[in-house]
Amino acid sequence: DTAVSQTPKYLVTQMGNDKSIKCEQNLGHDTMYWYKQDSKKFLKIMFSYNNKELIINETVPNRFSPKSPDKAHLNLHINSLELGDSAVYFCASSPLSRAGANVLTFGAGSRLTVL
Amino acid sequence: AQKITQTQPGMFVQEKEAVTLDCTYDTSDPSYGLFWYKQPSSGEMIFLIYQGSYDQQNATEGRYSLNFQKARKSANLVISASQLGDSAMYFCAMRETYKYIFGTGTRLKVLA
Repeated sequence: DTAVSQTPKYLVTQMGNDKSIKCEQNLGHDTMYWYKQDSKKFLKIMFSYNNKELIINETVPNRFSPKSPDKAHLNLHINSLELGDSAVYFCASSPLSRAGANVLTFGAGSRLTVL
Repeated sequence: AQKITQTQPGMFVQEKEAVTLDCTYDTSDPSYGLFWYKQPSSGEMIFLIYQGSYDQQNATEGRYSLNFQKARKSANLVISASQLGDSAMYFCAMRETYKYIFGTGTRLKVLA
């Protein structure tokens, strides 16, 4: 069983289109995240959710709209795609507690290419 | 604000040798966690090792060890007996409340 699964793995689309990426975790974690990895491999947090509630929005354009129907799912919808949105998007999850390792577990990533 | 710095964009190491990847951090929080992740060319993010700020001993996991120097705010990853399969990007990360921040990564190439 994949702990954090995200689909699709690859998206190729035209500028101006809308696309969605789905994410599910079966680890029972309280907190889920979206990270963006650019062409220079820099990993930047976009959003974090705790028990379906948005906690962090790191100045992401409002064309990006996350949705968490329950604490095991966090989807990402992107409107009006731009060339600069091309990147790998990682979903991740972690336990909430500040004590202990609280390892951040990543999905396999979704590579978005905007033409 | 918390910050993670990896100053080595790329490193080379001979197979079977040991290599140290540098990581320094900055935080005012007395309780924090430090992590290392490996990203091979296939793209997945693999957790390697964790060090808590209150841990008295340096973390070890197989061939990976973390050289934690709290006063210097450094958390260097040591890979012993390098293997060709260790060639990858390596990221240092620190846990804040509700987010993990990452360094810019070090690309390691193991030479046969």
